[in-house]
Amino acid sequence: AQSVTQPDIHITVSEGASLELRCNYSYGATPYLFWYVQSPGQGLQLLLKYFSGDTLVQGIKGFEAEFKRSQSSFNLRKPSVHWSDAAEYFCAVANTGGFKTIFGAGTRLFVKA
Amino acid sequence: GAGVSQSPSNKVTEKGKDVELRCDPISGHTALYWYRQRLGQGLEFLIYFQGNSAPDKSGLPSDRFSAERTGESVSTLTIQRTQQEDSAVYLCASSLVPRGDEQYFGPGTRLTVT
Repeated sequence: AQSVTQPDIHITVSEGASLELRCNYSYGATPYLFWYVQSPGQGLQLLLKYFSGDTLVQGIKGFEAEFKRSQSSFNLRKPSVHWSDAAEYFCAVANTGGFKTIFGAGTRLFVKA
Repeated sequence: GAGVSQSPSNKVTEKGKDVELRCDPISGHTALYWYRQRLGQGLEFLIYFQGNSAPDKSGLPSDRFSAERTGESVSTLTIQRTQQEDSAVYLCASSLVPRGDEQYFGPGTRLTVT
């Protein structure tokens, strides 16, 4: 069965600093991988996704993520964080059928001035 | 265009009552998903529809939970004899096709069982 682990419950970074949010998954085959963001009072929005091909994926809002099969990881990165990035971030994995998506518990990002 | 809508946005009910939560997906989206998000936790997969068929109901927590979908349109999640542990935000999402496509989420229904 597929599963997702986000080791960090919350992270605090200074505005302008770089960010890396960790995600590890468990799945027997090549998964579909996603990062979603949930801002306060707003619904979930897709940041980026990986299906195949280039292991470095670019997303919206300046985010990127790298798929590392050997480490079963799909970490999210951003070179310079803005205060508006404060939100909850969810990593998710879908099976090769593509429909059953399992979400991690989320990492809440706090941005300090 | 219109996104995924859910109603009601908030529902407070007494323990033991039945509730119905509604989801209107984006027009043309064949796949529809229901999730539950307890306070401070991640999303818990409940059920998935392809058209009006539900190939995977494995996430439904108990037989008190059921869901149906009319064609490729509205879906209703019903919780019978609600319990306090059912309190959560229930999120609906739809996607154009089911195979790993981006899911578009609704704003959720916050259910509180007293």
